[in-house]
Amino acid sequence: EVQLVESGGGLVQPGGSLRLSCAASGFTVSSNYMSWVRQAPGKGLEWVSVIYSGGSTYYADSVKGRFTISRDNSKNTLYLQMNSLRAEDTAVYYCARDSSTFDYWGQGTLVTVSS
Amino acid sequence: DIQMTQSPSSLSASVGDRVTITCQASQDISNYLNWYQQKPGKAPKLLIYDASNLETGVPSRFSGSGSGTDFTFTISSLQPEDIATYYCQQYDNLPRTFGQGTKVEIK
Repeated sequence: EVQLVESGGGLVQPGGSLRLSCAASGFTVSSNYMSWVRQAPGKGLEWVSVIYSGGSTYYADSVKGRFTISRDNSKNTLYLQMNSLRAEDTAVYYCARDSSTFDYWGQGTLVTVSS
Repeated sequence: DIQMTQSPSSLSASVGDRVTITCQASQDISNYLNWYQQKPGKAPKLLIYDASNLETGVPSRFSGSGSGTDFTFTISSLQPEDIATYYCQQYDNLPRTFGQGTKVEIK
């Protein structure tokens, strides 16, 4: 059974950093495209970043230069390193398997950026 | 970036009604269009992929159509468990973009 479990969210001050993790089971992260998608409170869905099976990475303009997507193949885990956080980064962050469709999603982890 | 314009933003319908949501892309995306259902406090769930293909296990009352720039999502007979927000999403180009969502309520 495919499962994605995010962790690492929490309260952080503006300008701070946080690393999100997404542990996968039932499939191999490194053989798939994997994305992060976020949802600000009461708002819609916003794609954040993708890592391709070959290792290429892409980012939304809103996070480019501040966020880094990566994976640990030995742990079958996806990461999102978030630096220079802003209030507008406050959201639930989901990891999703990205086969052009987001066919599997984690339960989400809440990131709150506030002083 | 490809903009996805979804309408209406919300609707209220009776159980058994036919519900239709539209999604318009700012440029031709062929059939690279998916539909998701999101219930409060839950992750989105894939319902329709490639504009018109029903994901395994999804009830047949859900359907999708369209290509190019204009797409339609239909619930043929609204059920109480269909109360949710529905999103379209294109994957023709990066960044992947979503419509703003349609909140479906029971009248």
